[in-house]
Amino acid sequence: SAVISQKPSRDICQRGTSLTIQCQVDSQVTMMFWYRQQPGQSLTLIATANQGSEATYESGFVIDKFPISRPNLTFSTLTVSNMSPEDSSIYLCSVEESGGTGYGYTFGSGTRLTVV
Amino acid sequence: GEDVEQSLFLSVREGDSSVINCTYTDSSSTYLYWYKQEPGAGLQLLTYIFSNMDMKQDQRLTVLLNKKDKHLSLRIADTQTGDSAIYFCAEARRNFGNEKLTFGTGTRLTIIP
Repeated sequence: SAVISQKPSRDICQRGTSLTIQCQVDSQVTMMFWYRQQPGQSLTLIATANQGSEATYESGFVIDKFPISRPNLTFSTLTVSNMSPEDSSIYLCSVEESGGTGYGYTFGSGTRLTVV
Repeated sequence: GEDVEQSLFLSVREGDSSVINCTYTDSSSTYLYWYKQEPGAGLQLLTYIFSNMDMKQDQRLTVLLNKKDKHLSLRIADTQTGDSAIYFCAEARRNFGNEKLTFGTGTRLTIIP
């Protein structure tokens, strides 16, 4: 299965600042996904990022707050902009395994963000 | 509704079987997944089942699917302390040709020595 390296693993940030999270995959993948997991909650999809096109955002998430880059088939970034304490969450990237849906989705180890 | 539902907590004695239940919503879901999240870690894919199957067994794990009732369960045989984690079910929903995962609320499994 794909191996995902996600950085940073954790950070503590001041409110009003921005943080960019990186996700590197060891193989080429078409679709990459960004999720948010608020404390004690389940995972919520933020957006889907395809290489060469703009990311598709889920209801409740906007590009100005969570800009995403997808410059090639192995890399993506998610920026959390103008942060507030409500943005404190774990952010995870995910890829669909090659071979299609039945092979599942692999997740990075996550970025634990605390906004103070 | 849109939610994929699970019981929040489950406690099981070491050596017993654990059964984690999940109710999903989309009858057209193609695959259903079980993920494990240990403290401070990401998500690990445990197993999955295709929607035209009733059961899938993989070593200590057994997945049962009742498509009529939209009910999915994960049975862990001979539960060990290393099985302590949060377990998420997820359904793969297709919308306008794109597929995405919708996760359940997660069940925290605690092992009693």
